Amino acid sequence: DARVTQTPRHKVTEMGQEVTMRCQPILGHNTVFWYRQTMMQGLELLAYFRNRAPLDDSGMPKDRFSAEMPDATLATLKIQPSEPRDSAVYFCASGLVQNSGNTIYFGEGSWLTVV
Amino acid sequence: QQQVKQSPQSLIVQKGGISIINCAYENTAFDYFPWYQQFPGKGPALLIAIRPDVSEKKEGRFTISFNKSAKQFSLHIMDSQPGDSATYFCAAEAAGNKLTFGGGTRVLVKP
Repeated sequence: DARVTQTPRHKVTEMGQEVTMRCQPILGHNTVFWYRQTMMQGLELLAYFRNRAPLDDSGMPKDRFSAEMPDATLATLKIQPSEPRDSAVYFCASGLVQNSGNTIYFGEGSWLTVV
Repeated sequence: QQQVKQSPQSLIVQKGGISIINCAYENTAFDYFPWYQQFPGKGPALLIAIRPDVSEKKEGRFTISFNKSAKQFSLHIMDSQPGDSATYFCAAEAAGNKLTFGGGTRVLVKP
């Protein structure tokens, strides 16, 4: 059963520390998304890649967040330095995006707490 | 600017009742409208979806109604069950583009 795999599932870190979240998209999917979910803001799109190329990262605070896709099986989201307001659930999702009607599949999320 | 507005933010329904969640969109380029269901501690998962060339789609107890002229669509959960308690997100997509999600509705079905 193909699934999007995210690590770590849970992370507690101190303010100022670097946090790296990793995602293994479903094999064959050409598009990878990073979302952040909070009670106040709901699901926010941070960045997404198609065929490993960044398409849109306008939702991401550029000064501390960075997203990369070093190869087709790995996407990373890095926060440096982390702040308490970054506490949220970070979801990776992938899909085979062609025309329209594309289903995207979410991982189970990385639950981040910054203290 | 929020392109997909969802309401209500939360709702409580008795077992066997009907849950109704509404969404409105602005971008007429949207041509695909899925609904995602999210259980606590899990990622959202596709529940049901519709294209604007049909006015209604039904899958089991879940029905999407679509009004293209009003740029509105809604999810109806018939005979709501406690296992339907979850957060529901509507979304909209323009061809080949990213999904734009609504703000979510937390549904609680009381036994």
